[in-house]
Amino acid sequence: EIVMTQSPATLSVSPGDRATLSCRASQSISSNLAWYQQKYGQAPRLLIYGASTRATGIPARFSGSGSGTEFTLTISSLQSEDFAVYYCQQYNDWPPLTFGGGSKVEIK
Amino acid sequence: QVQLVESGGGVVQPGRSLRLSCAASGFTFGDYGMHWVRQAPGKGLEWVTEISFNGNNKYYVDSVKGRFTISRDSSKNTLYLQMNSLRIEDTAMYYCVKGGYGLPTFDYWGQGTLVTVSS
Repeated sequence: EIVMTQSPATLSVSPGDRATLSCRASQSISSNLAWYQQKYGQAPRLLIYGASTRATGIPARFSGSGSGTEFTLTISSLQSEDFAVYYCQQYNDWPPLTFGGGSKVEIK
Repeated sequence: QVQLVESGGGVVQPGRSLRLSCAASGFTFGDYGMHWVRQAPGKGLEWVTEISFNGNNKYYVDSVKGRFTISRDSSKNTLYLQMNSLRIEDTAMYYCVKGGYGLPTFDYWGQGTLVTVSS
């Protein structure tokens, strides 16, 4: 099973600042990585797939990068609606499909 | 637009059964794999199971193998999850999720149905 590790667990950021979240895979997953956003009390939403392709309707301030075992989600200028928990997910080698433990982006 | 509406959750005793349903609309149901993903209270996301677009292939996380069964009825555009021998650790919000086109990503999520296993 591929283990996904996210850091930091919590990131405190001011509105308008950049946020950078990391995700590491226990073995190479090529670019078979997705990112999701989950706001409090809501279902998750797909942001990025293929490590760097934005899903339909996702603003350009969200970008993904990386390949192999190291990945990054960057939010270029945080808006109030971006404060949420973010999860990475690998789909290179499954079952099982696996998620990271999540990174919470909170208001500084 | 894509809509996924789960139902069937509730409070159940350990060892009992429950069947979840998910009514899908807004897309061609028979063209996509479908998943159940769960989230224990205050915890992260856990993939539970997937059924292929035509129902021929089913996959499960180890912790539910032999207890949970996923199925689909394309004539009703409905996904199911039969959960038997429920355990306290199965307590979670269960999300019905539409898969990506040819990719095991989670493209659209329902709002979830809460399953609580408690004596």
